Amino acid sequence: AQSVTQLGSHVSVSEGALVLLRCNYSSSVPPYLFWYVQYPNQGLQLLLKYTSAATLVKGINGFEAEFKKSETSFHLTKPSAHMSDAAEYFCAVSASGSARQLTFGSGTQLTVLP
Amino acid sequence: EAGVVQSPRYKIIEKKQPVAFWCNPISGHNTLYWYRQNLGQGPELLIRYENEEAVDDSQLPKDRFSAERLKGVDSTLKIQPAELGDSAVYLCASSFRTQGGNTIYFGEGSWLTVV
Repeated sequence: AQSVTQLGSHVSVSEGALVLLRCNYSSSVPPYLFWYVQYPNQGLQLLLKYTSAATLVKGINGFEAEFKKSETSFHLTKPSAHMSDAAEYFCAVSASGSARQLTFGSGTQLTVLP
Repeated sequence: EAGVVQSPRYKIIEKKQPVAFWCNPISGHNTLYWYRQNLGQGPELLIRYENEEAVDDSQLPKDRFSAERLKGVDSTLKIQPAELGDSAVYLCASSFRTQGGNTIYFGEGSWLTVV
């Protein structure tokens, strides 16, 4: 069984400030972890993924995330927020191995203030 | 490369009416998924296909929902009859293999409103 908890359903940052979106996971087997972004009225787009290689993962649009096994976390960061980063962000987990069960968190709405 | 294509994008129907959604996955992707996303929540898996076989449909409400993937390519998700609680976004997605690390690509979704 696996689950994801995203702390903070809404996060607001000023343009140029650090973005930090929190994700904690639970998995009975080594996990694969993903961050997706969803812009209004659109589907989900993959930002980055962790698949047991480097623990610091770099994604698109300047985002990165660090897998910390001891903390069961996979927080998403970006050094400097842009107005275009305003969207909903979803953390997701799947169990490594042959069966693919992608379980999503409830999402974090990011607002970027001018 | 074309992405996952879904239609219709938006649908408004009265309760008890039927509705169908169509999905064309990325070419060559053998795994196809249907997810439902309620407002303010993350997507939840309804059904997963490997080629034309439904390998995980445990979350599909089978009394009113049905899905098919003929010839292992396009897929259709049907609701009959629709209820008010079915209002949601229905997301189709596809991936190349059923492996935990492979990326799942999502379509733009079919937005259903039941009135």
